[in-house]
Formats: sequence, structure tokens, C-alpha cells
Amino acid sequence: GQNIDQPTEMTATEGAIVQINCTYQTSGFNGLFWYQQHAGEAPTFLSYNVLDGLEEKGRFSSFLSRSKGYSYLLLKELQMKDSASYLCAVRLPSDKLIFGTGTRLQVFP
Amino acid sequence: SAVISQKPSRDICQRGTSLTIQCQVDSQVTMMFWYRQQPGQSLTLIATANQGSEATYESGFVIDKFPISRPNLTFSTLTVSNMSPEDSSIYLCSAIGGQGPTYEQYFGPGTRLTVT
Repeated sequence: GQNIDQPTEMTATEGAIVQINCTYQTSGFNGLFWYQQHAGEAPTFLSYNVLDGLEEKGRFSSFLSRSKGYSYLLLKELQMKDSASYLCAVRLPSDKLIFGTGTRLQVFP
Repeated sequence: SAVISQKPSRDICQRGTSLTIQCQVDSQVTMMFWYRQQPGQSLTLIATANQGSEATYESGFVIDKFPISRPNLTFSTLTVSNMSPEDSSIYLCSAIGGQGPTYEQYFGPGTRLTVT
């Protein structure tokens, strides 16, 4: 079966750094996505990791370790607008995406 | 990057009726998918929409309940048939673009369906 785990909820303070973890056990792996989803809106693309290591994109960075079945999304200099759900998704060899349950992040002033 | 539009954006339907959701991509894409997101939950893949042939359904989803068409590379429809309140969800169309490091899976804005 396919299993992707994320924490359900996290809270952080404006200006801080937060790390959202994702662990996965899937039948095949072609890459890992992170999406941001605000309430009532569609998911928007944040990052896509295929190889091990850290990829930085502005305030957001994403890390992947394929041997450990582990990824994290790092959000720096948090802003109120970063309050959203963050979805981890594994791309299977068939190009299907299997999503984790999502992590709801609340940023407080 | 591809832009995906969906119609309708939302609808309220009566139990037992059917609704067809349209998905249009602004460029030719290889693969299109339909997902469902039930309230407070993450996305679940319903099926892969295959161009010119029958869709490939995931476990728990069947063609009689969710017939899908994809007549060309940029357009697909999903019908939710004989609806019940349990079908109340957001339905999202998705398409693949790019290759290698530019690979991305895009999502439409979603169709919010409420069944009464």
C-alpha cells in the first residue's frame, strides 16, 4: 500500500522558521511535490524534488532523502499569509500523485 | 506553465441527479487526472483521464458513478452520477506539464459540489 505521513497541525510565530516533515512508503517513487493550499482554493505548486538534497527557492526550501523516505519543507521569515495547508505528494512511476493528509499551519503575530 | 479552468466553480445539486464538470487546459498536455477533496481532507485520485479511450479508475471509484471523457489533449469532463450527500466535495482537474527538472503537476481551481 501507499503511506504518506505529515503532522496534522503546526503553529508558529510571524518571522520565525518552521519545518514541516513528510515521511513516505510507496510502491515506486519518481519525485516528491510540496503544495500550498489556502482554504477554499486549489493547491499551488511550491517545489518538486527528484534527487537527494536541499533545494532553496526564496523563503521556501525543500529537502529530500530517498533512502530514508523523508522530506521536509522549510519556511523562513514566516508571514501571516503563510497560514495555509501544506500538502506533501509522491509522484509514482505512473505519474499519479499520492497525497499526504496535509499539515495545517497557523502563523500568529 | 499550463493554466487550467473548470466549470462550474460550484453547484448545489439534489440527491439522485448528475453533474458534469468540465476541465480545459490552455496547452496540450500528456496526462490529465481527476481528484476529489472531501471537507477537511487531502486529495484523493479518482482516475486518470486517457485521451480517446476509457479512463483508468483508482480503487473505490467506478465508471458508472464517475464517467470521464477526454476527447482531445486539452479537454476532459467528469460526471458525478446519481449523487448523494456523500458526494459533496471539491473536484479538481489536474494536468502534467514540463519534463525533468521542470516537471510539474498543475491543478484547476476546483468545483465545489454540495448535494442536498
